[in-house]
Amino acid sequence: TQLLEQSPQFLSIQEGENLTVYCNSSSVFSSLQWYRQEPGEGPVLLVTVVTGGEVKKLKRLTFQFGDARKDSSLHITAAQPGDTGLYLCAGKLTFGKGTLLTVNP
Amino acid sequence: KAGVTQTPRYLIKTRGQQVTLSCSPISGHRSVSWYQQTPGQGLQFLFEYFSETQRNKGNFPGRFSGRQFSNSRSEMNVSTLELGDSALYLCASSFSWRADTQYFGPGTRLTVL
Repeated sequence: TQLLEQSPQFLSIQEGENLTVYCNSSSVFSSLQWYRQEPGEGPVLLVTVVTGGEVKKLKRLTFQFGDARKDSSLHITAAQPGDTGLYLCAGKLTFGKGTLLTVNP
Repeated sequence: KAGVTQTPRYLIKTRGQQVTLSCSPISGHRSVSWYQQTPGQGLQFLFEYFSETQRNKGNFPGRFSGRQFSNSRSEMNVSTLELGDSALYLCASSFSWRADTQYFGPGTRLTVL
């Protein structure tokens, strides 16, 4: 069974700060996806990373896939209140439990 | 292109009843997966259908079942509801069962009293 562990579980920061969340596994994944979910809604796909060592940028969000394809990170620069939500990493049918991010004005 | 739609959005049932949830995937997508999301367990995979065939199944009791129709629409059924079945049920579609990237619907919030 492939497991994905995310850290931290909760993160509360002030607007303008930078942050990084992590997604780790002991298994190799062919790709990993990052989603953001708001309360009462379904997860929205942010990015898919496929190649080991790959870095993808989406505005202020930077996603990295580990060289061994067992881990990934999401870095947010100058966080804004609109970034608040549950960030989930996923590999095919397996999801991490998420990082609940709160960005305070 | 329209996204994944799920009906109903909210549902209240009592213990022992059964419930059927519906999901329409993105046009052209032939794979549909179902997940249960609870605060304690996160998203847990229920099952995946492709071309009307169940391709993968998660670790849930037989009270949870699903099916897929020829137009790729899918339904899931939960019989003999228990309090612990209260959750957000999410449907996701992808082009193929081999595709890693899934697109989610808004979910159905099921409350069992």
